[in-house]
Amino acid sequence: EIVMTQSPVTLSVSPGERATLSCRASQSVSSNVAWYQQKRGQAPRLLIYGASIRATGIPARFSGSGSGTEFTLTISILQSEDIAIYYCQQYNKRHSFGQGTKLEIK
Amino acid sequence: EVQLVESGGALVQPGRSLRLSCVASGFTFDDYGMHWVRQAPGKGLEWVSGISWNSGSTDYADSVKGRFTISRDNAKNSLYLQMNSLRPEDTALYYCVKDGVGFGWYFDLWGPGTQVTVSS
Repeated sequence: EIVMTQSPVTLSVSPGERATLSCRASQSVSSNVAWYQQKRGQAPRLLIYGASIRATGIPARFSGSGSGTEFTLTISILQSEDIAIYYCQQYNKRHSFGQGTKLEIK
Repeated sequence: EVQLVESGGALVQPGRSLRLSCVASGFTFDDYGMHWVRQAPGKGLEWVSGISWNSGSTDYADSVKGRFTISRDNAKNSLYLQMNSLRPEDTALYYCVKDGVGFGWYFDLWGPGTQVTVSS
C-alpha cells in the first residue's frame, strides 16, 4: 500500500498571503496525484489532477507541482473562502489519500 | 445537472448487512468507472471500492475485501455497494464518486454522501 503523508497538519495563513501544502508518497507515483478541497459539511471537490492540471472551474490561484514522491499545492493569494481541509490522493497504484491539511485564517 | 445521489444509509447492528445505492445523472454513466469512498466521523478519506464501466474489473480496499461487493446497472445509471458482516469501524459517511477518465484515476464528481452507523 502506498502511504501519502501530508504536512503540516494545520496551516495558518493571513488573507492575501501564499499557502504551501506538501504531500509525500512512500514510493514513486509518477504524476498520478490529485488534490481535493473539503469545506465543512460538504463533499470533497477536485482541484488538481495529474499533479499540476487544474480541474474545470478551479481558480488560477490554485496550482500544483511535483512528481515522483514529492508534491505541493500552492494557493497564491489566500482568500477567506479557501478555508478548508485539503487532501492529496495517489492513483498510480489503486488509491490512497493523505490524512489532510487543515487550512486556517491567521 | 451533473450529479450523484446516494441512498440506503442507516443505523445497523454489528454483523448485519446493508445495501447502498447511487443514482447518476447529467453524464454518460457507462463511460466511466465508479467508486465508493468513505469518511469516518472527524477523520480523513478512505477509498473503499471501484468498478470499471462494464463491470469487468472490480477492486476493494483490504479493510472490506470479502465483506463488501460493488456492482452497477448501466441501464439504471446506478451504482451499488452490498455491505455484509458490518463492523463498528465501518461507521462512516459513504460517498459515491465518478472516475475522471476511464477507471482507476482521479475522482471528479462526488455525491453528498449517505451515513452508515454500525452500533448495537
